[in-house]
Amino acid sequence: DGGITQSPKYLFRKEGQNVTLSCEQNLNHDAMYWYRQDPGQGLRLIYYSQIVNDFQKGDIAEGYSVSREKKESFPLTVTSAQKNPTAFYLCASSSTGVAYEQYFGPGTRLTVT
Amino acid sequence: GQQVMQIPQYQHVQEGEDFTTYCNSSTTLSNIQWYKQRPGGHPVFLIQLVKSGEVKKQKRLTFQFGEAKKNSSLHITATQTTDVGTYFCAWVTDSNYQLIWGAGTKLIIKP
Repeated sequence: DGGITQSPKYLFRKEGQNVTLSCEQNLNHDAMYWYRQDPGQGLRLIYYSQIVNDFQKGDIAEGYSVSREKKESFPLTVTSAQKNPTAFYLCASSSTGVAYEQYFGPGTRLTVT
Repeated sequence: GQQVMQIPQYQHVQEGEDFTTYCNSSTTLSNIQWYKQRPGGHPVFLIQLVKSGEVKKQKRLTFQFGEAKKNSSLHITATQTTDVGTYFCAWVTDSNYQLIWGAGTKLIIKP
């Protein structure tokens, strides 16, 4: 089955620790995205990548880092510099070239205490 | 920067009543997409509108794109419990295919 996987579904961390969220897709999509969603809110773009070894900051990149070493994978690291890291994190992918729809993974709920 | 206003934030309806959500932009943009997110789930693509004045239907859902391509709406006729969730509009930017997301409208069915 083609799709996007994110792991883990739930993640708990102590303040001050970095944590890496996994995102893998087998849809052969060039573009991948990371969004943050807070309760009752819309989606805010953290980082996106349109090609391997290249990525761009979104609206709320501070305190986050990404890498894109493989087409299939786009991990997100939430660093200790992120002031309010507790949120629902969604990874998405899409084709590029024309305005294609985005396909989302199931998300990771991160709780930092 | 470009922004999208989506209203209302919530809409409570009795099952069988209609539901409408609206998205407005201050600038003219190329395409608009609509997504649905079930409670606890992830957004799922519903449709994309491209042409000025376009109207598309999916069973009980009707999607419209304004003549000036600055507004869009989603109308659900005779809501059912399976319609519960949050509906988002997302504008496609011209330069780099990023989406600019509305805040979403949550459809709640009254018990």
